[in-house]
Amino acid sequence: AQSVTQLGSHVSVSEGALVLLRCNYSSSVPPYLFWYVQYPNQGLQLLLKYTTGATLVKGINGFEAEFKKSETSFHLTKPSAHMSDAAEYFCAVSDRVDYQLIWGAGTKLIIKP
Amino acid sequence: DAGVTQSPTHLIKTRGQQVTLRCSPKSGHDTVSWYQQALGQGPQFIFQYYEEEERQRGNFPDRFSGHQFPNYSSELNVNALLLGDSALYLCASSRINTGELFFGEGSRLTVL
Repeated sequence: AQSVTQLGSHVSVSEGALVLLRCNYSSSVPPYLFWYVQYPNQGLQLLLKYTTGATLVKGINGFEAEFKKSETSFHLTKPSAHMSDAAEYFCAVSDRVDYQLIWGAGTKLIIKP
Repeated sequence: DAGVTQSPTHLIKTRGQQVTLRCSPKSGHDTVSWYQQALGQGPQFIFQYYEEEERQRGNFPDRFSGHQFPNYSSELNVNALLLGDSALYLCASSRINTGELFFGEGSRLTVL
């Protein structure tokens, strides 16, 4: 069975600092991996996804993630945090491109001025 | 171009009642998925509809049922409500085999 673990329910960084949100997954087949962002009182928005091909994936708002098969990880990074990045971030995995997503518990990103 | 719209946005029910939540997918999308998100948790997959049929189902009891209409809109029905059904219910639409879900803002259900 697939599962997703997001390390840290809350991550706090200073504005301008590096953002690193961790995601590890388990899957018996090559996974499809996703990062979504949820702003307060809003639905989820896709940041980026990995299906096949290049393991470094660039998304919206300056975020990127790298698929590392050997580490079963798909960590999300952004070089310089902005106040508008404050939100909850969810990592998700699927074993087919349009199959049900299995979600992590989420990481709340807090940006300190 | 309207995105995914859900109604109602908020509702309060009592235990044992029944509820129907509605979802209109993004224009051009043919697949609708429903997720339950309890407070402080990630979404849990309920089911997915495509071509008016339930295509996949998560680990939810039969009290949770759904429907997709010819115009691709969808309903989620929950019978015999329990306190534990209190959650944000999210609808997501997509085009089949594209792998990108577009979410609505959700319907927040409170069961008293």
